Amino acid sequence: DAGVIQSPRHEVTEMGQEVTLRCKPISGHDYLFWYRQTMMRGLELLIYFNNNVPIDDSGMPEDRFSAKMPNASFSTLKIQPSEPRDSAVYFCASSPDILKVYTFGSGTRLTVV
Amino acid sequence: QQQVKQSPQSLIVQKGGISIINCAYENTAFDYFPWYQQFPGKGPALLIAIRPDVSEKKEGRFTISFNKSAKQFSLHIMDSQPGDSATYFCAANTGGFKTIFGAGTRLFVKA
Repeated sequence: DAGVIQSPRHEVTEMGQEVTLRCKPISGHDYLFWYRQTMMRGLELLIYFNNNVPIDDSGMPEDRFSAKMPNASFSTLKIQPSEPRDSAVYFCASSPDILKVYTFGSGTRLTVV
Repeated sequence: QQQVKQSPQSLIVQKGGISIINCAYENTAFDYFPWYQQFPGKGPALLIAIRPDVSEKKEGRFTISFNKSAKQFSLHIMDSQPGDSATYFCAANTGGFKTIFGAGTRLFVKA
């Protein structure tokens, strides 16, 4: 298995633009997580899905953020409109069970200028 | 009560020395305690994990010590090497609940 695949690896966008981050989880993993990592706040859980259904979105910072999982092999995290304070590394992770090990992707480094 | 407190924030160790990272938790329902290792430009990856029915688990140079009564656990890296330089996260979870991560410790091993 190729692991959790995220795209793009790097994204630079102007303030106000829409940004879409993509994730392909490991096949057979029923749980998918979106995290944001910054120096100031560390690793923050934004939202997670179980069997494509959002379970907990309490970490989504505001309405500008939205996430979808239309099928078991694909998820998106969208920011619209983007702001400079959204600059961070965004990770997607998947797991076969909420108790099991999380496998993280390599992340998307987002820079909003 | 759902927090996992991790210290120190950063750590510098000489090559061959012992690196020690500590974590504490409040929720006694936590029953799985993994440690993740993250290299620059990569996502965190599982390093070693422990359940509270054992007080210590060792895998190569990495050892987790667990003190259930004190609600504390720690990672020891013996004979630390420059290649161990990374960010380390402790974590905890329990049945039906998401994993809670500590704030992370940036380890630098000097050659």
